[in-house]
Amino acid sequence: QVQLQESGPGLVKPSETLSLTCTVSRYLISNGYYWGWIRQPPGKGLEWIGNVYHSGSSYNNPSLKSRVTISVDTSKNQFSLKLTSVTAADTAFYYCVLHRRDAHSSYYFHSWGQGLLVTVSS
Amino acid sequence: SYVLTQPPSVSVAPGQTARISCGEDNIGRKSVHWYQQRPGQAPVLVVYSDSDRPSGIPERFSGFNSGNTATLTIGRVEAGDEADYYCQVWDSGSDPVAFGGGTKLTVL
Repeated sequence: QVQLQESGPGLVKPSETLSLTCTVSRYLISNGYYWGWIRQPPGKGLEWIGNVYHSGSSYNNPSLKSRVTISVDTSKNQFSLKLTSVTAADTAFYYCVLHRRDAHSSYYFHSWGQGLLVTVSS
Repeated sequence: SYVLTQPPSVSVAPGQTARISCGEDNIGRKSVHWYQQRPGQAPVLVVYSDSDRPSGIPERFSGFNSGNTATLTIGRVEAGDEADYYCQVWDSGSDPVAFGGGTKLTVL
C-alpha cells in the first residue's frame, strides 16, 4: 500500500509563500499516476488544489488562479506544493493524495497523507 | 462544475442501516466516490466508481448511483462508523473536482 507523508512549516506569514513536500513510499512516482493536493480549513469541507504527473505536467484548481505551483522530483520520490501570497483564508489542513482513474475515466483519491495543518498568521 | 448536495447530518442506532445521499442533476451519468473522515483523521476512500470497495473496506459499505441521487449505504452500523462522509465526482472541464459538503453520521 502506497504511503504519503506531508512535511513543511506549520506557520506562514501573510503575503508569503506556503511550501509543502509530500514524500511517497512503497511506490515509485516515476511509474505513473497523478499526485496532488487537497486542503480542508478546520471544521470545513474539502477543496482540491491540483495535481501533477510524473512527467511534470500539472493542472490546478482555477479558483486558486496562478498562485499554485505543483512540481515533482522523481529522484527523491517527492512532489511539492507552492502557494503564493497567502492570507488567513489559506489556513487549512493540507493533504497529499494519490489519484487513481476508474473505468469511466473518473479520478478519485485512493491514498491520503495524514495531513498537515498550516496556519497563516503574523 | 457540479454542486453536490448532501444532508448535513444523519443519525442511526447501532446495528441499523445508514443511508447518506449525494444529489445533483443527472449525477447518475457520473462516477461517484465516497470518503470517510473520522474525527482528527485524514479522509479514507470507502467506495469508488459508484459501488466498488477498496481492499480492506467492509462489505457493510455499499454505494448506488442513479438519476439525480447517489447513495452511500452503511449496514449494521457500529460506533466506529461515526464520521463525516463526503461524496466526490470528477467532471471534464476547467474545474474538474467537486466534493459534497459532507454529512456527519452520528451513531446514537
